[in-house]
Formats: sequence, C-alpha cells, structure tokens
Amino acid sequence: GNSVTQMEGPVTLSEEAFLTINCTYTATGYPSLFWYVQYPGEGLQLLLKATKADDKGSNKGFEATYRKETTSFHLEKGSVQVSDSAVYFCALSNAGGTSYGKLTFGQGTILTVHP
Amino acid sequence: DAGITQSPRYKITETGRQVTLMCHQTWSHSYMFWYRQDLGHGLRLIYYSAAADITDKGEVPDGYVVSRSKTENFPLTLESATRSQTSVYFCASSDPRTEQYFGPGTRLTVT
Repeated sequence: GNSVTQMEGPVTLSEEAFLTINCTYTATGYPSLFWYVQYPGEGLQLLLKATKADDKGSNKGFEATYRKETTSFHLEKGSVQVSDSAVYFCALSNAGGTSYGKLTFGQGTILTVHP
Repeated sequence: DAGITQSPRYKITETGRQVTLMCHQTWSHSYMFWYRQDLGHGLRLIYYSAAADITDKGEVPDGYVVSRSKTENFPLTLESATRSQTSVYFCASSDPRTEQYFGPGTRLTVT
C-alpha cells in the first residue's frame, strides 16, 4: 500500500534561516505528490504539488521537486519568516494527477520560526 | 457562507453516546472525505464519497457511519463513542482535477 514518511519534528528555526523538511514515499504506479500546510486553529491548505517525475512545485517561496529515483519530495524555503510557523504535511495520491482520490498523509512536521 | 463548513467546532461527549459531526460544502463538489488527525499519525481517511448515495471505507472506518443523501452534506456519525475516538476531525471536498479543500475541523473529546 501507499505510505509517506516525513522527517521527525518539531523543527525550530530563526527568521531568514534555510528550511528543509524531508519527505519520502512508497507507492505503486505514478503518484501525484503534495505539500499541505496547517496554520494554528485552521484546516489544511494546499501549498504546492507535482504530478510527474522531475516536476517542481512552488508557492510562497516554498519549493519541492518530485524525485522518482529517490522516491522523495523534500520541501525547501530559502528564508523562512515567523508567519511560516505551521504544521506541514506531505501527501500522495494515485488518482491520475488530481487529488480527488484518496490522499495518504505523512505524520506532519511542526515548524516554529523565531524572530 | 461560501466554502466548506463543519459543525460543531468543539464537542465533548461521554463514552457510549451517539455523536454526529456535520459537513457542508457550497461548491457542489462531487467528492467528499472525512479524516481524523492524531499526533504521530498525520491525517487518516475514515470514509469518502464519490457522489450522493455513494460512499466507501477509508483506512480507519470502524466505529463510524456516514451517509450522503445530498451532494452538499456529508455527516459523520459515531454510533457509540469511545475514548479512542477523541481526535480532530476534518472534512474535505473536491472535484475531479481540483485539489481537496478542507474544512476548519471539529475537535471531539470523548470522556
């Protein structure tokens, strides 16, 4: 079956530091990959996605590249802000490039950014 | 209100009681989902629905019942609540070719 493994958290950084959150997956076929973000007290929002190998998803300064050879989708940001403090979830779906199918989530990584 | 809403936002109930969590979306999305969020597990799919009157089990369906008589509503019922069902519950909706949109969540405590 499908599974997603994220790096253990929580992650604490100073403002303007470089961020990497590791994500690896196990799946059959060619899944689509996603990063979702959950701000305190809110539901999840899609941050970025990639639907095929070597695709790079990007949004709000965050990037992640779909690496099929290493089955990874690591999230990066060059300079984090206090407002980036949130929980980040890596997820995958086998639903042919969309997320209407079932999502399989990683366990989430709590990010705290200090001024 | 436009979007996807959940009610109640917070609920405390006792073991053995029946509880229904409501989910309503205004986009007429065909797909709807229920997840539970627990520390260390991320989000796990409980049930999902591809259209009105079509539902299917997800990863952790035991102890839950769903129905979908109207496209816009997807209630989740705990028939006899247990402490292990203390969690935060998220509803989501989507159409083919769109992302899943999540509601704000319901925090349920079973005492």
